Amino acid sequence: DAGVIQSPRHEVTEMGQEVTLRCKPISGHDYLFWYRQTMMRGLELLIYFNNNVPIDDSGMPEDRFSAKMPNASFSTLKIQPSEPRDSAVYFCASCWGGWRTEAFFGQGTRLTVV
Amino acid sequence: AQTVTQSQPEMSVQEAETVTLSCTYDTSESDYYLFWYKQPPSRQMILVIRQEAYKQQNATENRFSVNFQKAAKSFSLKISDSQLGDAAMYFCAYRSASGSRLTFGEGTQLTVNP
Repeated sequence: DAGVIQSPRHEVTEMGQEVTLRCKPISGHDYLFWYRQTMMRGLELLIYFNNNVPIDDSGMPEDRFSAKMPNASFSTLKIQPSEPRDSAVYFCASCWGGWRTEAFFGQGTRLTVV
Repeated sequence: AQTVTQSQPEMSVQEAETVTLSCTYDTSESDYYLFWYKQPPSRQMILVIRQEAYKQQNATENRFSVNFQKAAKSFSLKISDSQLGDAAMYFCAYRSASGSRLTFGEGTQLTVNP
């Protein structure tokens, strides 16, 4: 397996534009997580899914953020409209909720909103 | 809610020497998992080692070992024979046995001096 795949690796966009980040989890994993990493706040959990269903979205900062998981092999995190304070590295991670307890992370998307 | 604290924002070690990174956590649960992740400049989050709370024996992975003190809620990482490639940000993380979300500490930036 190629691991968790995120795209794009880097995204630069103008304030007000819509941004969509994409994630392909490891096949067979039933949990998917979206994290945001900033210098000020460290790693924050935004939302996570179990079997494609959102379980906890309490970390989503505002209504401008939305996430979907239409099937077991794909998830998106959308920001509309984007703002400069959304600039961060966004990580997707997946794991299996059984005895394998470690989460595997993608390489992250560095988002810059100018 | 669980919290994870890493009180050392930065640490340095000489190549081939040993260094210990500290982590404390707060939880009311008795069953949980603890992890150390490494984040090199490439940004990839890499699992270094994990510990199940019900196991009294400290986990070991080659040059990496932990000192797990359940009563004190302490989980330190010892890196022996430090190598230049160990230079990275290290994150301590907590996961409840009844859930899948990871709670991360603030991170410790480790520098390895040649």
